Amino acid sequence: DAGITQSPRHKVTETGTPVTLRCHQTENHRYMYWYRQDPGHGLRLIHYSYGVKDTDKGEVSDGYSVSRSKTEDFLLTLESATSSQTSVYFCAISMSTGVPSEQYFGPGTRLTVT
Amino acid sequence: TQLLEQSPQFLSIQEGENLTVYCNSSSVFSSLQWYRQEPGEGPVLLVTVVTGGEVKKLKRLTFQFGDARKDSSLHITAAQPGDTGLYLCAGNRVYNQGGKLIFGQGTELSVKP
Repeated sequence: DAGITQSPRHKVTETGTPVTLRCHQTENHRYMYWYRQDPGHGLRLIHYSYGVKDTDKGEVSDGYSVSRSKTEDFLLTLESATSSQTSVYFCAISMSTGVPSEQYFGPGTRLTVT
Repeated sequence: TQLLEQSPQFLSIQEGENLTVYCNSSSVFSSLQWYRQEPGEGPVLLVTVVTGGEVKKLKRLTFQFGDARKDSSLHITAAQPGDTGLYLCAGNRVYNQGGKLIFGQGTELSVKP
């Protein structure tokens, strides 16, 4: 198993509060990704990182920000949580962006915004 | 609009039956991957196909990449209850930037004993 952990694994929060999810890897992989998974949508990319302090937006980035100050940690912040952000969030890592770009996933964080 | 369309979205079969899951697109992909996900866990990579027409086998699972690299299929022979889970296809588009993957909606498979 790839050494990827996510914390917390479950969180319930109220609308309007800030929330930070953490992804930690022990593989020293350069590339990290945050996805959300919702029924009928598969996984959708929120943000990704191609190195320390290098990040870029994915297809559903509104309302989210990220930071990566160390290779091993990638943080996802919901600036002001909304009910539409209730979802399961997955972090993934990849050794390269070449073809193929194989990604390895963490166990997920289930977030409920009430 | 989903760039990668999976079908069927739900499949419930009896142990021992065969099944095929399809992943289709109008776009060309430089590679395509299949993942399997169990409840409460993250997706796990099963296979990657890169060449048009490529066929890969993983025990009772057969994966094929279309000749034009726009579609893929997963065929399971003699399904077992342990095959139950969510199957996801994901592709790297041509001129891929940042290693981003496009995911299909998933196929939820239930194999009953």
